[in-house]
Amino acid sequence: DSGVTQTPKHLITATGQRVTLRCSPRSGDLSVYWYQQSLDQGLQFLIQYYNGEERAKGNILERFSAQQFPDLHSELNLSSLELGDSALYFCASSVDGRAQNRGRRDYGYTFGSGTRLTVV
Amino acid sequence: AQSVTQLGSHVSVSEGALVLLRCNYSSSVPPYLFWYVQYPNQGLQLLLKYTTGATLVKGINGFEAEFKKSETSFHLTKPSAHMSDAAEYFCAVSESGSSNTGKLIFGQGTTLQVKP
Repeated sequence: DSGVTQTPKHLITATGQRVTLRCSPRSGDLSVYWYQQSLDQGLQFLIQYYNGEERAKGNILERFSAQQFPDLHSELNLSSLELGDSALYFCASSVDGRAQNRGRRDYGYTFGSGTRLTVV
Repeated sequence: AQSVTQLGSHVSVSEGALVLLRCNYSSSVPPYLFWYVQYPNQGLQLLLKYTTGATLVKGINGFEAEFKKSETSFHLTKPSAHMSDAAEYFCAVSESGSSNTGKLIFGQGTTLQVKP
């Protein structure tokens, strides 16, 4: 158990629908990152939140949005789903929004086990 | 902009043979470099990382990697492959200094097959 919890683990939905993926970061971590892993695009950074604020944005579609709540959990909302949105969505967390955390032994950050989204 | 290139989407070795997975990066600032492993139907596990200091870094499960700035490379090696090493391996880069947001840019991944 990495300490980063993602729910649900699997999700099957139809095209045009909207889904919400949830991520609870490791205890004490302030920053959450979302990644999409698909066969054709590989692992792509989507968006980062730090203590409730958006900090960095990657290749995130306009149909997708995210937020981080006061309790630091984060949700990734995917709307108007298309077949091509089928992918593994990973969440990661880190203490201070950096890849290298001074003073911590576990540098880098921690990934959750992912949510597998299938759009049919 | 940063980028990572992993040479060879599939690498096959015999059990006991040397494992060499290649990674080249592009970064305008000193990079932080990472190798992650992904077993089937699982998340990403950190194998090792380079941030500063010694350029030869050792990770878990007998893996190591060497940061070569002149070659912009961070190749992953293991002297003797084990069947349990079969997985997908990802090289990743992150920016250091004031640009450090922790965002990781990943390579396309290399699938390692280990033959008995």
